[in-house]
Amino acid sequence: NAGVTQTPKFQVLKTGQSMTLQCAQDMNHNSMYWYRQDPGMGLRLIYYSASEGTTDKGEVPNGYNVSRLNKREFSLRLESAAPSQTSVYFCASSAGTSGSPQETQYFGPGTRLLVL
Amino acid sequence: GNSVTQMEGPVTLSEEAFLTINCTYTATGYPSLFWYVQYPGEGLQLLLKATKADDKGSNKGFEATYRKETTSFHLEKGSVQVSDSAVYFCALRVNNAGNMLTFGGGTRLMVKP
Repeated sequence: NAGVTQTPKFQVLKTGQSMTLQCAQDMNHNSMYWYRQDPGMGLRLIYYSASEGTTDKGEVPNGYNVSRLNKREFSLRLESAAPSQTSVYFCASSAGTSGSPQETQYFGPGTRLLVL
Repeated sequence: GNSVTQMEGPVTLSEEAFLTINCTYTATGYPSLFWYVQYPGEGLQLLLKATKADDKGSNKGFEATYRKETTSFHLEKGSVQVSDSAVYFCALRVNNAGNMLTFGGGTRLMVKP
């Protein structure tokens, strides 16, 4: 059981380049999330998807777009990368759609992105 | 708004020492509280959680009690091991924030043999 998988593990981009981070889960979860992790700031939510076909902005959505391709996959796109987007990106998933506060989120291993 | 404050690290302890990592929160609704752990090179894993006041979450020798009166959820372990070396994140989630987890900044724990 793979859980939440992310590709790539590491990427270097030049300013202005675009790329898509891929995330997939095999737990039949309804909700999926994208976070970024910066030193001393914990994780901040970029976008989330409570169910297939829906997406909503989180705390820091500017400069990003997302696609919930199907129930398993949730991608994050940087259209024109900036050095401020250098970070570690984590995908997560959870079972429900209602956003119950008791619900556990399961995280992928992360993608380390460096924008020069 | 919602926020979580953790003690800054790194916290360096000798093996078998007692661990406390402080966590306090502010929330606009009634939160559930979580501790996540991140081992080197890995994603976050849920360590324990508590969903209502006075609940105690526990796992792998770690404990934390939901204290509504002091808005705290401090993480404790009686005897740490080298394998506990990791970054620990306190987090909360409330009904009125959709699916959003609010994280603290993380506390790095280093345990020396």
